Amino acid sequence: EVQLLESGGGLVQPGGSLRLSCAASGFTFSSYAMTWVRQAPGKGLEWVSLISDSGSSAYYADSVKGRFTISRDNSKNTLYLQMNSLRGEDTARYYCAKDGGYTYGHEVFDYWGQGTLVTVSS
Amino acid sequence: DIQMTQSPSTLSASVGDRVTITCRASQSISSWLAWYQQKPGKAPKLLIHKASSLESGVPSRFSGSGSGTEFTLTISSLQPDDFATYYCQQYNSYWTFGQGTKVEIK
Repeated sequence: EVQLLESGGGLVQPGGSLRLSCAASGFTFSSYAMTWVRQAPGKGLEWVSLISDSGSSAYYADSVKGRFTISRDNSKNTLYLQMNSLRGEDTARYYCAKDGGYTYGHEVFDYWGQGTLVTVSS
Repeated sequence: DIQMTQSPSTLSASVGDRVTITCRASQSISSWLAWYQQKPGKAPKLLIHKASSLESGVPSRFSGSGSGTEFTLTISSLQPDDFATYYCQQYNSYWTFGQGTKVEIK
């Protein structure tokens, strides 16, 4: 059974940093691209970042480019999101999700974790 | 950037109704379109990928169609478990979600 468990969320002041983690199990982690998607309270889904299976390629939404860094440790089956220079508009639940592996270069997200809440406030 | 626009934003329907949600892309995305269902307090669930391919375990009352810039999600006979918010997502160039369509009880 595929399981994705996010952690690392919490309350942080504007300008601060947080590192989110997503522990994966139930599939061959190193064979799939992984992504972060966020959802502000009461709002819709926003794609944040995606990393390739090997970790050699990473992609970012314009809203987080230059502030967030996605990474993965395939030996630990863990995905990360380093978030720096946090702003109020980054307040959201952050979900990690797995690529379905259907078509290389066209990733779609077939399994999701339950998310971790990040609140940016003074 | 590719923008995704869903309509309607809210839909009121009864059990047994046929429901259709539309999603339009700002430019052609071929068939690289997915549909997700999200219930309150839960993570999104992938229903359909590549515009019309039903995920394993998803009831056959769900179907998707379209290509290019216009897509639809149809629920042939709405069930109590289907009241939720539905999102389309393009994955042709990066990844963009529509704003969501909430299906509520009439």
